[in-house]
Amino acid sequence: SQKIEQNSEALNIQEGKTATLTCNYTNYSPAYLQWYRQDPGRGPVFLLLIRENEKEKRKERLKVTFDTTLKQSLFHITASQPADSATYLCALARNAGNMLTFGGGTRLMVKP
Amino acid sequence: EPEVTQTPSHQVTQMGQEVILRCVPISNHLYFYWYRQILGQKVEFLVSFYNNEISEKSEIFDDQFSVERPDGSNFTLKIRSTKLEDSAMYFCASSEDRAQGQPQHFGDGTRLSIL
Repeated sequence: SQKIEQNSEALNIQEGKTATLTCNYTNYSPAYLQWYRQDPGRGPVFLLLIRENEKEKRKERLKVTFDTTLKQSLFHITASQPADSATYLCALARNAGNMLTFGGGTRLMVKP
Repeated sequence: EPEVTQTPSHQVTQMGQEVILRCVPISNHLYFYWYRQILGQKVEFLVSFYNNEISEKSEIFDDQFSVERPDGSNFTLKIRSTKLEDSAMYFCASSEDRAQGQPQHFGDGTRLSIL
């Protein structure tokens, strides 16, 4: 069966460090992968998209990589700030449409 | 920035009753979605809607569920004969069009509690 797993339920890091979050998938051939941020009691907020033929995407302090051989995406936040504390979700979509399948999320805590 | 708005923010309903969850997608968006998130679990896709018809639906979206765009602005999810296990946060989302990879813009959800 298809599985999407995100590393550890929680990740604690010090302000200013780089946070690296992992999304692994099995039995899946995604056309693209998206990363979302979710704050408590709020809906997911889109951050970045990366397609199957792209290796890396950047947006300000955010960087996403996508390795279809390893079936893995890495999400990096550089120079992390306490305001980056949230749950980060990866979501995959197949070729047929825009139905997103979400991972369970990683809760990031950035300590001052 | 335009937002997806959902009402009510919290709905409490007796088991067996029908509920209608309402959403106003972003005005120039053409593709609409419903997702749900049971407490402590993953966000799960229910259904997508384009050009006044269902585009895709998941196994969860059975005959108990229906969606409608009753006018030019609202998008509703109806759950008939609610069950305890329907208790969850329900998120509406919209995207500009059906091109692959479009970012989905989510509302802040309706918390549905079935008693």
